[in-house]
Amino acid sequence: AQSVTQPDIHITVSEGASLELRCNYSYGATPYLFWYVQSPGQGLQLLLKYFSGDTLVQGIKGFEAEFKRSQSSFNLRKPSVHWSDAAEYFCAVGQSSNTGKLIFGQGTTLQVKP
Amino acid sequence: GEEVAQTPKHLVRGEGQKAKLYCAPIKGHSYVFWYQQVLKNEFKFLISFQNENVFDETGMPKERFSAKCLPNSPCSLEIQATKLEDSAVYFCASSQFAGGATEAFFGQGTRLTVV
Repeated sequence: AQSVTQPDIHITVSEGASLELRCNYSYGATPYLFWYVQSPGQGLQLLLKYFSGDTLVQGIKGFEAEFKRSQSSFNLRKPSVHWSDAAEYFCAVGQSSNTGKLIFGQGTTLQVKP
Repeated sequence: GEEVAQTPKHLVRGEGQKAKLYCAPIKGHSYVFWYQQVLKNEFKFLISFQNENVFDETGMPKERFSAKCLPNSPCSLEIQATKLEDSAVYFCASSQFAGGATEAFFGQGTRLTVV
């Protein structure tokens, strides 16, 4: 069965520091991978997605993610974190079957220290 | 509309009461998805629709939960006889297509509190 694991439940970084949020997936075929951000009291906003092609994808708000098939990973990165990046981050995988259903990881809470 | 609109934002129900949540998908999107988020994480897929037809209901609890998407009306998710464990944020999402690569757009959610 497909699954998504975000090993870090909570991460704290200083403003201006770099960030990497980990995501590992379990899936037999080429996965469709997404990163979403959820700010307090808000819905999910898509940061970026990977379907095929270049394994380094650029997203909104200065985020990027790299798909590594050999490691079954799709880690999210940002070179310099801003206080407004404090939020909950979710990695998700879309099934290749035509259901559109997303399987989400448990989420990582990002705290940004001034 | 240009965004997924969910109403109400908050809903409080006593145990055993009925709860009904609404979702208006983005205009032109044929697919609607419902997810349940418990305790700020654990997004659980409930059900999806292709227009007014159930597309995938593999996550839907067998009892007490039902959903509809009728023409020219918001989609709805109804919980009969709510239980404390139904307390969660319910998110609706819509998309144009339903393939694995589909980008889904999420609403802001309805927070259901069962007391």
